[in-house]
Amino acid sequence: ETGVTQSPTHLIKTRGQQVTLRCSSQSGHNTVSWYQQALGQGPQFIFQYYREEENGRGNFPPRFSGLQFPNYSSELNVNALELDDSALYLCASRAGGTDTQYFGPGTRLTVL
Amino acid sequence: DQQVKQNSPSLSVQEGRISILNCDYTNSMFDYFLWYKKYPAEGPTFLISISSIKDKNEDGRFTVFLNKSAKHLSLHIVPSQPGDSAVYFCAAAFQGAQKLVFGQGTRLTINP
Repeated sequence: ETGVTQSPTHLIKTRGQQVTLRCSSQSGHNTVSWYQQALGQGPQFIFQYYREEENGRGNFPPRFSGLQFPNYSSELNVNALELDDSALYLCASRAGGTDTQYFGPGTRLTVL
Repeated sequence: DQQVKQNSPSLSVQEGRISILNCDYTNSMFDYFLWYKKYPAEGPTFLISISSIKDKNEDGRFTVFLNKSAKHLSLHIVPSQPGDSAVYFCAAAFQGAQKLVFGQGTRLTINP
């Protein structure tokens, strides 16, 4: 049972705008990761947060940034949106000392 | 650089028969592998994992086999049920590291 929640479910933005996506980790999970899933592809790792610090990043530009809060909830912020940012954004959490990540339902972002 | 590959975009299996989903990887340093199942409009759901020190792991109807020399893993579902129809992703990781590297997914359809 995952217990990871994300909001909003869907979002439509225009090119150049900024967006904030939110995630609430499963209880007891202190590590959160964000992934981008384009249509027809597997999820791609954006970054990971542990104890409110970013401790790993994939091949994404600096306009993708994040925050993790003391209650382990987190945010993904994307500035200067581009059309190619249209994707499903997934949040995943895991407990310290384990390797299995549990995913939320995702936020579908459409950039027009 | 696709480090994890699922070469079959789709697979169709009759209900009650065995479903075999395949995954290949290129990086011999991966030491932890996972399978996720994804329904439309939902996040990936963890199914089963295997560490590189094992060559087989079972959980109910699901069995994962790992062949390290061939850099190949497979997921067997026996017997297949209609509710198994979904997209299946394999993922690989370095144990203790941040990110999961996903394949492109295989759409499994179970026919009555």
